[in-house]
Amino acid sequence: KAGVTQTPRYLIKTRGQQVTLSCSPISGHRSVSWYQQTPGQGLQFLFEYFSETQRNKGNFPGRFSGRQFSNSRSEMNVSTLELGDSALYLCASSPKKLTGHSTDTQYFGPGTRLTVL
Amino acid sequence: DAKTTQPPSMDCAEGRAANLPCNHSTISGNEYVYWYRQIHSQGPQYIIHGLKNNETNEMASLIITEDRKSSTLILPHATLRDTAVYYCIVRVAGSNYKLTFGKGTLLTVNP
Repeated sequence: KAGVTQTPRYLIKTRGQQVTLSCSPISGHRSVSWYQQTPGQGLQFLFEYFSETQRNKGNFPGRFSGRQFSNSRSEMNVSTLELGDSALYLCASSPKKLTGHSTDTQYFGPGTRLTVL
Repeated sequence: DAKTTQPPSMDCAEGRAANLPCNHSTISGNEYVYWYRQIHSQGPQYIIHGLKNNETNEMASLIITEDRKSSTLILPHATLRDTAVYYCIVRVAGSNYKLTFGKGTLLTVNP
């Protein structure tokens, strides 16, 4: 089974621009979570989507947004980029279900390395 | 989630077993022990998880003490590609949507 894929892998933007990152989960996984990872703050949770609905949200400003499509693919968008947004953005998918017994182990993609100049 | 404690770094010779310890003395009865690793600048990779029984998969073995206050991840035959930061986390499966990694253990496999 193919793993989680993320595109693009690397991105360079300038302050004030916006960016859209894409994530394709493992086939059959309906939960997609996004994380930001920086050397200083470590791994920080952005949001989780399940069945096209945002289920949980971390403590990030409204410039960070996301969505999920009917095929479970997800995108996240960052508007008005700031230097501090430079980070590795990770997507993780999980086979969890909202009801019934399921495992919710999260499987990560390779990440998108965003550099803001 | 319960807090975990791991040594900041460890060395291992290639071909030998790597035993990575994790202390989670405040673990609750319904909390699982998960292990992930992250090779430099790549996404974290899930390794294994367990509740109270020892677990083994194609990557590693997880040994959890009877009181569940500590565990050991075993890579039976470490290779240079196993050099990575290894994270031990404790969480309630099915109810905690976000993962939080501590500082982990940097395992360096030497030739």
